[in-house]
Amino acid sequence: EAAVTQSPRNKVAVTGGKVTLSCNQTNNHNNMYWYRQDTGHGLRLIHYSYGAGSTEKGDIPDGYKASRPSQENFSLILELATPSQTSVYFCASGDWDSYAEQFFGPGTRLTVL
Amino acid sequence: AEKVIQVWSTASRQEGEELTLDCSYETSQVLYHLFWYKHLLSGEMVFLIRQTSSSTAKERSGRYSVVFQKSLKSISLIISALQPDDSGKYFCALWELAMGYKLTFGTGTSLLVDP
Repeated sequence: EAAVTQSPRNKVAVTGGKVTLSCNQTNNHNNMYWYRQDTGHGLRLIHYSYGAGSTEKGDIPDGYKASRPSQENFSLILELATPSQTSVYFCASGDWDSYAEQFFGPGTRLTVL
Repeated sequence: AEKVIQVWSTASRQEGEELTLDCSYETSQVLYHLFWYKHLLSGEMVFLIRQTSSSTAKERSGRYSVVFQKSLKSISLIISALQPDDSGKYFCALWELAMGYKLTFGTGTSLLVDP
């Protein structure tokens, strides 16, 4: 069954620490996305990728890096985590063939203390 | 300016009632899609229904349907026969061909359905 999975599901980090959020998809989609959801903002796009080896900046990329080592995997990296990065992070995959529908993972709740 | 606007941040209804959630958007593109997603209380983000700009068909999916007013740049999600499990947060999202493959989301409407 096609799916998007995220790990970890919950993470508590300290300010200044490095955090890596991982995403895996079995949809065989070319495109993958990282969003964050905050009250009053909906979902905002951080980084996205069109395929293995590619990463593109989204609307709010500052403080985040992304890595797409393979078709299936897409990581979001916070090199120096800050409390303002406390949020719920969603990974998604999609393709033009699916009429732009994006399939979301279950989310990762990150708290930076 | 926000591209996708959901005016109501919260809504509440009784079980069995019908609810209309409104969304307005801004685009200059000819080809675009509008999506409704539901953020479940469990944390999952679930696709509900899609409206394509070029379609005049009234989209339906189970208890979900949409009213698409293209000239007004407005789309409403109608949920009939509400159930307590319909509680959650509903997001409207816009996809524009010229913006690549990304979605632009509204701020969402939180719905509570009382049994």
